[in-house]
Amino acid sequence: EVQLLESGGGLVQPGGSLRLSCAASGFTFSSYSMSWVRQAPGEGLEWVSIISAGVISTFYADSVKGRFTISRDNSKNTVYLQMNSLRAEDTATYYCAKGAVSATRHFDNWGQGTLVTVSS
Amino acid sequence: EIVLTQSPATLSLSPGEGVALSCRASQSVGSYLAWYQQKPGQAPRLLIYDASNRATGIPARFSGSGSGTDFTLTISSLEPEDFAVYYCQQRNNWPLTFGGGTKVEIK
Repeated sequence: EVQLLESGGGLVQPGGSLRLSCAASGFTFSSYSMSWVRQAPGEGLEWVSIISAGVISTFYADSVKGRFTISRDNSKNTVYLQMNSLRAEDTATYYCAKGAVSATRHFDNWGQGTLVTVSS
Repeated sequence: EIVLTQSPATLSLSPGEGVALSCRASQSVGSYLAWYQQKPGQAPRLLIYDASNRATGIPARFSGSGSGTDFTLTISSLEPEDFAVYYCQQRNNWPLTFGGGTKVEIK
């Protein structure tokens, strides 16, 4: 059974930093792209970033480019999201999502999310 | 950026009724569109990928159709557990984008 467990969320002041982690199990982690998707309170879904399997490539939403960095450690089956220069508008639940088997930029498994609150 | 417009924003229906949800893209996304279901307090769940392929474990009452800019998610007969918010998402262009969602609520 695929499991994705996010951690690292919390309250941070504007301008601060956080690193989110997503521990994966139940599948061959190194073979799949992984993404972060966020959802502001009461709002819809917003894709944040993706990291490929194999030869590493990364992509970001314009709203986080230059501030967030996605990375992965295949030896630990973990994907990370380093978030710097945080803003109030980054407040959201952050979900880790696995790329779908036949469509890597769709998401076939999701974690339960970790809440990030940016406030003074 | 490809904008996905979902309509209507909210639908009020009764169990047993059928429903067709719309997702319109601002430019062609080919067949690279997915549908997700999200219930309150839960993570989204993949229903349909690449326009018409049901994800693993998804009941046959869910079906997807369309290509280019116009897509439809059809639920043939609503079960009580189907009342939720539905999102579409395209993977044809960067950045990946989601629609704003359609809430299907109990009438």
